[in-house]
Amino acid sequence: SQQGEEDPQALSIQEGENATMNCSYKTSINNLQWYRQNSGRGLVHLILIRSNEREKHSGRLRVTLDTSKKSSSLLITASRAADTASYFCATEGGKLIFGQGTELSVKP
Amino acid sequence: GAGVSQSPRYKVAKRGQDVALRCDPISGHVSLFWYQQALGQGPEFLTYFQNEAQLDKSGLPSDRFFAERPEGSVSTLKIQRTQQEDSAVYLCASSLGRGSYNEKLFFGSGTQLSVL
Repeated sequence: SQQGEEDPQALSIQEGENATMNCSYKTSINNLQWYRQNSGRGLVHLILIRSNEREKHSGRLRVTLDTSKKSSSLLITASRAADTASYFCATEGGKLIFGQGTELSVKP
Repeated sequence: GAGVSQSPRYKVAKRGQDVALRCDPISGHVSLFWYQQALGQGPEFLTYFQNEAQLDKSGLPSDRFFAERPEGSVSTLKIQRTQQEDSAVYLCASSLGRGSYNEKLFFGSGTQLSVL
């Protein structure tokens, strides 16, 4: 069973545009993490946001967390073709539980 | 090592065959996780080790799946009498501390298992 659900399932944008992905989860959390997975590769950690934080930035990434709505969003600004990948949110409960991911395609 | 290493990268097995998948975590990492990822899906938790102790195996789909980490470093995931539904990518991840709480995981590239 998966705790998180990402929305949309797939997103296609032009280089330079912003990409926004959303994640909803079911139970209370201590933190939420976002990971990226390039085709045929393992997952790479992007950012961790704690339950007492509302927003966090890392380079071109901006993550928000709304614990009252049990949701998080990942914004990638000024997207590049190299950002093409699947993006997953993950919540902990003793072990990381991943959603099904958003497949992002950035066209040059 | 520099990262989490998994072998083999690809494994093709005939239905009924036993397979063993290896994971070399980052040196010094206490926690080790196995995940199963079906095509187009997110990783599904299988099992978790803290050093050599298997603290959680709630995600193992059946008693055909067995994992060990006897010396607290390298881990092996064994699948007995493989079936077609076992076809998936098996991901290994490690983290420095004693669990995923407030910690990021470092993933290997996975073993893609195809059962014919």
